[in-house]
Amino acid sequence: RKEVEQDPGPFNVPEGATVAFNCTYSNSASQSFFWYRQDCRKEPKLLMSVYSSGNEDGRFTAQLNRASQYISLLIRDSKLSDSATYLCVGSGGSNYKLTFGKGTLLTVNP
Amino acid sequence: EAEVAQSPRYKITEKSQAVAFWCDPISGHATLYWYRQILGQGPELLVQFQDESVVDDSQLPKDRFSAERLKGVDSTLKIQPAELGDSAMYLCASSLVLAGNEQFFGPGTRLTVL
Repeated sequence: RKEVEQDPGPFNVPEGATVAFNCTYSNSASQSFFWYRQDCRKEPKLLMSVYSSGNEDGRFTAQLNRASQYISLLIRDSKLSDSATYLCVGSGGSNYKLTFGKGTLLTVNP
Repeated sequence: EAEVAQSPRYKITEKSQAVAFWCDPISGHATLYWYRQILGQGPELLVQFQDESVVDDSQLPKDRFSAERLKGVDSTLKIQPAELGDSAMYLCASSLVLAGNEQFFGPGTRLTVL
C-alpha cells in the first residue's frame, strides 16, 4: 500500500463547478500535509498547507482528519485556470521527507 | 523572484551512457532535494542534502546513481550507466531549512534513454 493515495481521476468539470479531491495516508507518524499543484510539463508548486482545523484560501478549502488519516481539497467556482494535476503530500520523519501521491488531473471545461 | 535553476532542460542519451544533471538552489537555501518523476506518478525523493551532507539517500539506486553537493550550494546528479527505465523527469528542489514547509522546485530535466 502506498503511503499517500489519491482519487485516481481524471476529473472533468464545467466552469463554476465545485470539485473535491480526497487523499488518504498510511503513516500515522506523518506530521504535516500539503496540496501541490502541477501544470502540464511544469514543476510542482505549493498550493496550500493543510491543518487539522481546516484552512481556506479564496476558493480553495483544505481539511485534515488525523483520526481517519484523510485529507481533502475543495475547489469552489472552478476556473479554466484551475486545470492542473493536484498532488497530495505528506511530510514526516526526522528529515521531514515529503511523500507525494500520484496526483489527480483536473480539467475545467468552458 | 528567486528560482531554482536546473540544466540541461532536456537530455536524450543512449543506454549505457553517462549523464549528469546540475541544480542551483535558491540562494541561502540549506536543504536541497533531487526527485524523479515518472509520467503519471508523483515525484519520488532520490536524495536530500542538508548543506553538503546527505540526509537521506535511501531511495537512490547507488549502483548507478550518485549525487554531490560539495560546497553546500549547487549540486550534481549523475547516472552511469543509464538504463531505459531511467527515462523520467528529474526535479531539483530547495527549502530554506530542513523543516521548511515549502519546497521550491526547479523546472526539471527531462531525460529520455534510447
